[in-house]
Amino acid sequence: QKEVEQDPGPLSVPEGAIVSLNCTYSNSAFQYFMWYRQYSRKGPELLMYTYSSGNKEDGRFTAQVDKSSKYISLFIRDSQPSDSATYLCAMHTGGFKTIFGAGTRLFVKA
Amino acid sequence: ETGVTQSPTHLIKTRGQQVTLRCSSQSGHNTVSWYQQALGQGPQFIFQYYREEENGRGNFPPRFSGLQFPNYSSELNVNALELDDSALYLCASTTGGGTGELFFGEGSRLTVL
Repeated sequence: QKEVEQDPGPLSVPEGAIVSLNCTYSNSAFQYFMWYRQYSRKGPELLMYTYSSGNKEDGRFTAQVDKSSKYISLFIRDSQPSDSATYLCAMHTGGFKTIFGAGTRLFVKA
Repeated sequence: ETGVTQSPTHLIKTRGQQVTLRCSSQSGHNTVSWYQQALGQGPQFIFQYYREEENGRGNFPPRFSGLQFPNYSSELNVNALELDDSALYLCASTTGGGTGELFFGEGSRLTVL
């Protein structure tokens, strides 16, 4: 079993839709939870960062962490074609390495 | 503020050859990590350098090695290249606070024939 599971998609939605992206994990030692966005042929860029459980909102993006269920989510409101990218969840114990999910490819149709 | 820069952006090698990839970390960051991202996969941790010392390593063989220099720039060296080494190699820098926030470069895409 992988430490972090993420549905690779692809996920295709119309412009303006609410997008929900999810990851599950098995290592209860994870304390830091991140979402990265990766455009084609580019490096990942940090989108959202959350410590422990709870919600965090930044503009159209909301990250949720439920440590009791080992489940994290990223919601994108009013999705735009420019949101089309691969979204990677990532987790960290506080040590030296970050564990990434496989990434979900998102397409937002105009 | 200067971001993470990597070179070269693309390169093609043949099996058995050696390759060196370079990375300049973001200003103010003293910790550099290298990741391998195969097509359709998430990045996999190779190793991390802090103050010129390797302080963490993932599940990669010894033919993957690295260096960090006093200015915090870094190199990734891969010897005896194999076909499966074809991937995007990402360098990421951080302040080393142990929170996992990584700032990535654009990557070096390596193709092994």
